[in-house]
Amino acid sequence: EADIYQTPRYLVIGTGKKITLECSQTMGHDKMYWYQQDPGMELHLIHYSYGVNSTEKGDLSSESTVSRIRTEHFPLTLESARPSHTSQYLCASSEYPGTLHFGNGTRLTVT
Amino acid sequence: QQQVKQSPQSLIVQKGGISIINCAYENTAFDYFPWYQQFPGKGPALLIAIRPDVSEKKEGRFTISFNKSAKQFSLHIMDSQPGDSATYFCAVHSGNTPLVFGKGTRLSVIA
Repeated sequence: EADIYQTPRYLVIGTGKKITLECSQTMGHDKMYWYQQDPGMELHLIHYSYGVNSTEKGDLSSESTVSRIRTEHFPLTLESARPSHTSQYLCASSEYPGTLHFGNGTRLTVT
Repeated sequence: QQQVKQSPQSLIVQKGGISIINCAYENTAFDYFPWYQQFPGKGPALLIAIRPDVSEKKEGRFTISFNKSAKQFSLHIMDSQPGDSATYFCAVHSGNTPLVFGKGTRLSVIA
């Protein structure tokens, strides 16, 4: 059972709105990640963090930003949502970079 | 450039049969080769993993076969069951960089 929590589970929002997707983990892991995935499709790394006050961009160009002020919390923010942002967003954490624990995702729809 | 190539994209197997999913990589620096399993509506979960110092690892009905010289590894699911129907991702890892995932294989086990 994953100890990583994502909220909201589903979100429908209009174009141009600012949104923040929440991700928290209780395992004390230093490493956290955000992936974008269309259902059942390829996983695209968009941001990751290896510790507090450390964030890096992933392979997928993204208009989102992240912050890591506390070890357990890694929120993802879209300043201005667009229909192209419609997707599933998965958060993960790890103690070792090769072993990820995923949350169950936020399904975002931008109308 | 895709660092890990996964095939097939989709797979249909009869109940009781053997499911085989293959991955190939280029970078010989990779030192950890996990497989993740994802059910609809859930995040991926680590299924089984292998390091390059062994050629095979078995956990229940799941086996990883690893061919270091060919730079290939595969997942075998013996006695496949309908409950194994999911998307499977291979991944590769080296150093302190994020995990690199294959594009996924959608497995359907039919009765």
